[in-house]
Amino acid sequence: NAGVTQTPKFQVLKTGQSMTLQCAQDMNHEYMSWYRQDPGMGLRLIHYSVGAGITDQGEVPNGYNVSRSTTEDFPLRLLSAAPSQTSVYFCASTSGPAHNEQFFGPGTRLTVL
Amino acid sequence: SQQGEEDPQALSIQEGENATMNCSYKTSINNLQWYRQNSGRGLVHLILIRSNEREKHSGRLRVTLDTSKKSSSLLITASRAADTASYFCATDGVQAGTALIFGKGTTLSVSS
Repeated sequence: NAGVTQTPKFQVLKTGQSMTLQCAQDMNHEYMSWYRQDPGMGLRLIHYSVGAGITDQGEVPNGYNVSRSTTEDFPLRLLSAAPSQTSVYFCASTSGPAHNEQFFGPGTRLTVL
Repeated sequence: SQQGEEDPQALSIQEGENATMNCSYKTSINNLQWYRQNSGRGLVHLILIRSNEREKHSGRLRVTLDTSKKSSSLLITASRAADTASYFCATDGVQAGTALIFGKGTTLSVSS
């Protein structure tokens, strides 16, 4: 199993550009989530999904969209990138309720100029 | 807002010493988990302790949970240089059954 994969690993955007961060898992996990990590802030929840077709907002959802058309994929879209979205983004998945062990991807380091 | 808060923010010790990190949280929980993050990498699950457990061991790791004080501690015994990393506690108390809420982490440096 590849586990949780994220692409790209690095990305530089200009303010106003849009892009999609990809996340996929091959463990047939129902629960998936996106976090951003900033220095001194720990991990903050952006959006999460409890199954295909079901998504909800986390702590910091503004400026991001998600969709969950399949169990495997959970892409995160930046509609109009802003410098405040410069961060490291992590995708995670778990097999059952979210209070089970979570498996993390390697992260995407995004810089918005 | 953060559910868990780790203490201290940073910890520096020598190889062979024990390292203790603490986590406090705000609401009731199903369980509490500890994760490790090496520099520039994703998070790796270390240990999970359920709300009805008071202590749990895994190798050199010992975790305690006091639900009455809403706090947990992670003890790493006989630390090694390879233990150098950031350590995070996480709970689901704020959004139960949805996603974990993480603290800001403790950065541990173990020097040889």
